[in-house]
Amino acid sequence: KNQVEQSPQSLIILEGKNCTLQCNYTVSPFSNLRWYKQDTGRGPVSLTIMTFSENTKSNGRYTATLDADTKQSSLHITASQLSDSASYICVVSAYGTDKLIFGTGTRLQVFP
Amino acid sequence: NAGVTQTPKFRILKIGQSMTLQCTQDMNHNYMYWYRQDPGMGLKLIYYSVGAGITDKGEVPNGYNVSRSTTEDFPLRLELAAPSQTSVYFCASRDSYEQYFGPGTRLTVT
Repeated sequence: KNQVEQSPQSLIILEGKNCTLQCNYTVSPFSNLRWYKQDTGRGPVSLTIMTFSENTKSNGRYTATLDADTKQSSLHITASQLSDSASYICVVSAYGTDKLIFGTGTRLQVFP
Repeated sequence: NAGVTQTPKFRILKIGQSMTLQCTQDMNHNYMYWYRQDPGMGLKLIYYSVGAGITDKGEVPNGYNVSRSTTEDFPLRLELAAPSQTSVYFCASRDSYEQYFGPGTRLTVT
């Protein structure tokens, strides 16, 4: 069964610190993996998208990595800001389908 | 550029009532989607459309209906609201690369 699992479920860090969120998937055949940021009360917004041949991609202070062999991805946030407080969702697409498989998200809270 | 817009933002329904959640996009995308997001769960696909006049079921279509008469609009209809339909509903459209989500409609059925 195609699944996406994320850890931790929630995370609290202090402003200025770094953090790493994890995503494991069993989707096959793999097409691409996306990380979305979802602010409270808003729709998800794309941060990065990676295909099978890409193992790292950055978007400002966000850096995503992908290991297609172990079916793992991580999202690293550098020098966190209060505005990084949000849910971060890992989403995987299977090859040959338009449908996305969503993880349950990691809820990140950044405190001053 | 408005992107994907949804109305209403919030709604409370009584069991058995009906309503339509509106979704409009101004990006001329052929593909549009309806998802629901329950607390602690990933987004689940309800229905999707690959163009005007073409719709198909997603993972959780029971209790919902859709239509797609224009490229811009993709309304979601709840015919007989049930408490299990309490959720946040997101509409999305996509181009060849990315999905773009609306701000969501929070629906409570009591």
